[in-house]
Amino acid sequence: QVQLVESGGGVVQPGTSLRLSCAASGFKFSSYGMHWVRQAPGQGLEWVAVTSYDGRSKYYSDSVKGRFTISRDNSKNTLFLQMSSLRAEDTAVYYCVKDGLGIKYYFDYWGQGTLVTVSS
Amino acid sequence: QSVLTQPPSASGTPGQRVTISCSGSSSNIGSNTVNWYQQLPGTAPKLLIYSNDERPSGVPDRFSGSKSGTSASLAISGLQSDDEADYYCASWDDSLNGWVFGGGTKLTVL
Repeated sequence: QVQLVESGGGVVQPGTSLRLSCAASGFKFSSYGMHWVRQAPGQGLEWVAVTSYDGRSKYYSDSVKGRFTISRDNSKNTLFLQMSSLRAEDTAVYYCVKDGLGIKYYFDYWGQGTLVTVSS
Repeated sequence: QSVLTQPPSASGTPGQRVTISCSGSSSNIGSNTVNWYQQLPGTAPKLLIYSNDERPSGVPDRFSGSKSGTSASLAISGLQSDDEADYYCASWDDSLNGWVFGGGTKLTVL
């Protein structure tokens, strides 16, 4: 069965960096687009970034463009999110999400999420 | 302010049929398909409807989706207490080159 396990969350100070990881299993990781979606405490869902199956195409939300970088290692079935210049408004649960096919289909499997708290 | 507009709340009694709307624009719903997600309290979201009206395996046929122009709807028939959750619509936006979500609708079963 599909499993997505996020790690790397924690409490960090504003302006610092953090890298999230997502270990994928149960499907052919190298064939699917992968996303990061976040949810601030008590708020709705916000899409953050997507990478194509081969890592060549990447798109970002305006709120993180220039600060966050999505990447993947298909040899290790792992998705990453490098976050820099973190702000208080980046505080959220970050979900690793599998696309149904490419990058514009649907989010068919979600991890349990990892909490990132940006606070001084 | 979300790009897609959903009512913040909806409610119904057991057995009733409820609908949740999702309004967008020509750059998102008007030119791309709509997906719906259910988020039960304290859990990760789950795909409920994809490609406007398709149900993933395991999703009861009490849940159905539709799309017309720049709007979409999720209908839940035979409402059950287990359906109490937050529901989100989402679509790709060609102008933003990214995914957009509705603000979410909290469904209460009275």
